[in-house]
Amino acid sequence: ILNVEQSPQSLHVQEGDSTNFTCSFPSSNFYALHWYRWETAKSPEALFVMTLNGDEKKKGRISATLNTKEGYSYLYIKGSQPEDSATYLCAFGSSNTGKLIFGQGTTLQVKP
Amino acid sequence: DAGVTQSPTHLIKTRGQHVTLRCSPISGHKSVSWYQQVLGQGPQFIFQYYEKEERGRGNFPDRFSARQFPNYSSELNVNALLLGDSALYLCASSPHNPARLAGAPGEFFGPGTRLTVL
Repeated sequence: ILNVEQSPQSLHVQEGDSTNFTCSFPSSNFYALHWYRWETAKSPEALFVMTLNGDEKKKGRISATLNTKEGYSYLYIKGSQPEDSATYLCAFGSSNTGKLIFGQGTTLQVKP
Repeated sequence: DAGVTQSPTHLIKTRGQHVTLRCSPISGHKSVSWYQQVLGQGPQFIFQYYEKEERGRGNFPDRFSARQFPNYSSELNVNALLLGDSALYLCASSPHNPARLAGAPGEFFGPGTRLTVL
């Protein structure tokens, strides 16, 4: 059974704070690591896909890093804004199945 | 451009009944996946179809079945509903062959169908 774990489960920060959360995944049969943002009452939206050890991706104030050897990825949000409030999901892409295995998500709430 | 659409948005059924959920992918997308999301957990993979053929099945009982039509839309069917089937059912589409899906830019998700089994 492949487990993808995210921490923390939830996070409350003040507007302007920077924050980060972790996704842990199996280090074997790695193909890709995906990050999604899921706002309430909307569809999950793809943020990043990373495939190479050491990959770093950035989209505005949000960035992500990848360590495939130790099986973790960090998502960073710089200067959090209320509109960043959402659940952030990571998903592990397995090389031998082509399927995405999702973590349980980190729910971020940014207070004005 | 229309995104992935799902119908219905909400559904209430009783135990033992049957349900059919529908999904229309983004135009040009040939791959459709179905996920079940229970509160407090991440989406769990149920099925994946590509070019009308099943390409993957998650760890779900035989009560769950799906199919993909020539226009690439898809249906998820669940028989003999149980209380534990209450969940948000997400459909996702992609233009990519599932063999390369795991490394491709992420799937595009629909808004989901909220199923409540009483």
